[in-house]
Amino acid sequence: QKEVEQDPGPLSVPEGAIVSLNCTYSNSAFQYFMWYRQYSRKGPELLMYTYSSGNKEDGRFTAQVDKSSKYISLFIRDSQPSDSATYLCAMSETGANNLFFGTGTRLTVIP
Amino acid sequence: KAGVTQTPRYLIKTRGQQVTLSCSPISGHRSVSWYQQTPGQGLQFLFEYFSETQRNKGNFPGRFSGRQFSNSRSEMNVSTLELGDSALYLCASSWAGGPYEQYFGPGTRLTVT
Repeated sequence: QKEVEQDPGPLSVPEGAIVSLNCTYSNSAFQYFMWYRQYSRKGPELLMYTYSSGNKEDGRFTAQVDKSSKYISLFIRDSQPSDSATYLCAMSETGANNLFFGTGTRLTVIP
Repeated sequence: KAGVTQTPRYLIKTRGQQVTLSCSPISGHRSVSWYQQTPGQGLQFLFEYFSETQRNKGNFPGRFSGRQFSNSRSEMNVSTLELGDSALYLCASSWAGGPYEQYFGPGTRLTVT
């Protein structure tokens, strides 16, 4: 079993929809939770990170972490065609730089 | 600031050969991490270098090695290439620590035939 599980999709939504992306994990030592966006032929770009449990909002993006359930989510409001990309969750233990990634969810926002 | 650069961007090699990939971190960044990305396994951590020392290593065979130079530039080497080594190899740099501070380069696409 992989330490981080992510539904690979693909996910296709109409423009303006709310998108929910999720990951589950098994390692209770994970404390840092990141969401990356990766466009085709590009490297991952950090969208948001959260330390421990809780919510964090940045514009149209909201990240949630539920450590009791070992479940994290990324919500995208008012989705735009430019949001079409692969979204990767990543996690790390405190004091460690090695990230554990989900396999990514490919999102397409249809105009 | 210029971003993380990786060279070459694309590479085709034959089984049994070896390959060296290069990564130039963002100016001032001292940590460089390498990842392998494949469709089946996603991104997997290879190793991290900080101030020319390997600080952490993932679960990859010894054919995968790396080093870091005094200017923080890093190279990774794969010897005796196998078909399964075909992947996108990404490097990420950060100033010192903090897993949330890593900035990724565009990657080197390696194809082994």
